[in-house]
Amino acid sequence: GESVGLHLPTLSVQEGDNSIINCAYSNSASDYFIWYKQESGKGPQFIIDIRSNMDKRQGQRVTVLLNKTVKHLSLQIAATQPGDSAVYFCAEKFRDDKIIFGKGTRLHILP
Amino acid sequence: GAVVSQHPSRVICKSGTSVKIECRSLDFQATTMFWYRQFPKQSLMLMATSNEGSKATYEQGVEKDKFLINHASLTLSTLTVTSAHPEDSSFYICSARAGGLDTQYFGPGTRLTVL
Repeated sequence: GESVGLHLPTLSVQEGDNSIINCAYSNSASDYFIWYKQESGKGPQFIIDIRSNMDKRQGQRVTVLLNKTVKHLSLQIAATQPGDSAVYFCAEKFRDDKIIFGKGTRLHILP
Repeated sequence: GAVVSQHPSRVICKSGTSVKIECRSLDFQATTMFWYRQFPKQSLMLMATSNEGSKATYEQGVEKDKFLINHASLTLSTLTVTSAHPEDSSFYICSARAGGLDTQYFGPGTRLTVL
């Protein structure tokens, strides 16, 4: 079902360290997963996606891991930079083509 | 990459008036467009799905007579918030998808404030 968070959890990470943001998704039939970054007052920005027939996918400085057994998705950001400060959402595509967003995590970069 | 625009970016209106928000795909044909609403410090909630030339499909709990959606062309969808009230104040975001593809491209959002 749809997931709406009342309060966004915050992850604080030292600049230069790696960040790991976790997400639990709801629908075992979902076959496509996406991570989005949202900066204040802006629309979501695509970061990386992964299909259900994969368990890992790498991009530039980002890696997405998918564990279908426990319905868990994670986003790893290497060498976190100040520009990575934002809210990160995982999203899943249901079979009817709807993309449903997870609760979101705010990433805060410590100097 | 594909670009989706929204207009206006911000709108302030009086309670009881109607507001129209436009969503355009600028460099591709969007067979399907989606409308989301986001309250402060919350996630995006899907309101409705619109396919070009057909009626929109609304999510449970979203009033179709209050949130009118029109997808008259492959590059334009509009959301009209009728008789807006302060509780309708929110960030409205559209996304567009080309036929047969998974990727959705999101617009920059429209901040609606109802006084």
